[in-house]
Amino acid sequence: GAVVSQHPSRVICKSGTSVKIECRSLDFQATTMFWYRQFPKKSLMLMATSNEGSKATYEQGVEKDKFLINHASLTLSTLTVTSAHPEDSSFYICSATDYNTHNEQFFGPGTRLTVL
Amino acid sequence: GENVEQHPSTLSVQEGDSAVIKCTYSDSASNYFPWYKQELGKRPQLIIDIRSNVGEKKDQRIAVTLNKTAKHFSLHITETQPEDSAVYFCAASIRADGLTFGKGTHLIIQP
Repeated sequence: GAVVSQHPSRVICKSGTSVKIECRSLDFQATTMFWYRQFPKKSLMLMATSNEGSKATYEQGVEKDKFLINHASLTLSTLTVTSAHPEDSSFYICSATDYNTHNEQFFGPGTRLTVL
Repeated sequence: GENVEQHPSTLSVQEGDSAVIKCTYSDSASNYFPWYKQELGKRPQLIIDIRSNVGEKKDQRIAVTLNKTAKHFSLHITETQPEDSAVYFCAASIRADGLTFGKGTHLIIQP
């Protein structure tokens, strides 16, 4: 149980375009989803916390107008990178949790974004 | 906010020996401390976690210790094997908040 999927797994786009990444909890209802970013050979950095039906909470330094997060249901959260630039190229990973997991977060497989 | 420091950044041990990775955290309100193993291009894989009401937890060759007073926790891997080679991350969080990760340790198991 506790499976989280992400789509797409890899995306290449041109500078200035927008990219949407989906994160789904497949076998449980995720009351909270998190979005992390990981640059090559670096650690994971929390970008935002997303609760179903409410606005996402962004970490300091993360632009909410650039990284749009929608958590419309208990099984789906989306991250849209708007007007992507090469410096946005990174590995984006979501995780999901619910009241029954006692803080444990279940990670998606990640999305490799390359902006040309 | 929370700050997690992790040492060493690289650790090379002989196969069969033990490996220890240490982390410190800054926020005394943190109460959940997981450890992850990550292979290149893959998602982090939870290998063990500990909560603030416990001082030590063990799962076969892997153990974690937590010292709340000193705000540090450690990962111990005994009888290391080649498949233990990977990057390991410690993390901390308060209740169900997002995780703050350490910078990672590249563990190399020498045959």
